[in-house]
Amino acid sequence: NAGVMQNPRHLVRRRGQEARLRCSPMKGHSHVYWYRQLPEEGLKFMVYLQKENIIDESGMPKERFSAEFPKEGPSILRIQQVVRGDSAAYFCASSPDRGMYTEAFFGQGTRLTVV
Amino acid sequence: AQSVTQLDSHVSVSEGTPVLLRCNYSSSYSPSLFWYVQHPNKGLQLLLKYTSAATLVKGINGFEAEFKKSETSFHLTKPSAHMSDAAEYFCVVPSGGYNKLIFGAGTRLAVHP
Repeated sequence: NAGVMQNPRHLVRRRGQEARLRCSPMKGHSHVYWYRQLPEEGLKFMVYLQKENIIDESGMPKERFSAEFPKEGPSILRIQQVVRGDSAAYFCASSPDRGMYTEAFFGQGTRLTVV
Repeated sequence: AQSVTQLDSHVSVSEGTPVLLRCNYSSSYSPSLFWYVQHPNKGLQLLLKYTSAATLVKGINGFEAEFKKSETSFHLTKPSAHMSDAAEYFCVVPSGGYNKLIFGAGTRLAVHP
């Protein structure tokens, strides 16, 4: 059972371009969470999705950011018109259910650099 | 709202000596709490979790943590540090009634020979 797979591991974008980050959850997991880690900081919750539905997007910036988790395929975090401040590590986690005692398994992250 | 505060941003110990990483929580009720570890350029791994069953929780790699309600603390300890323990450690509390995790700022542990 492969773990949570994120790709690409590293992504470089010029200001104004779009960034697409992909996350394939563990087999059997239908709950996906995205977190952002700025340099020298802890992870900050962005969005929680369950197959085809956004459950909680309270941590998502209001503009330029969107997330989806289609019926088939990976979850996608999309950042339009990237700016330098978007440079960070983006982590995806998955779990088999939404219970707060259920372990969430993390991917290795995508490190986005905006130049 | 739940939150956690990690009291030390950096901790440095010698190999073979005890490790203490401090975490205080803020919650209006007895929360569940986790410790995660992040090795350089890696994802996060769950070390241990407290879910109100027992106040002393044992985790992987010899780590353990004790939930103390009177002190609102959940400190992480290990009797003897190993070089491979060098990493970033996060105290975490779930929020929202599901697996939305609130992370502390992290403590970077350095282990010297």
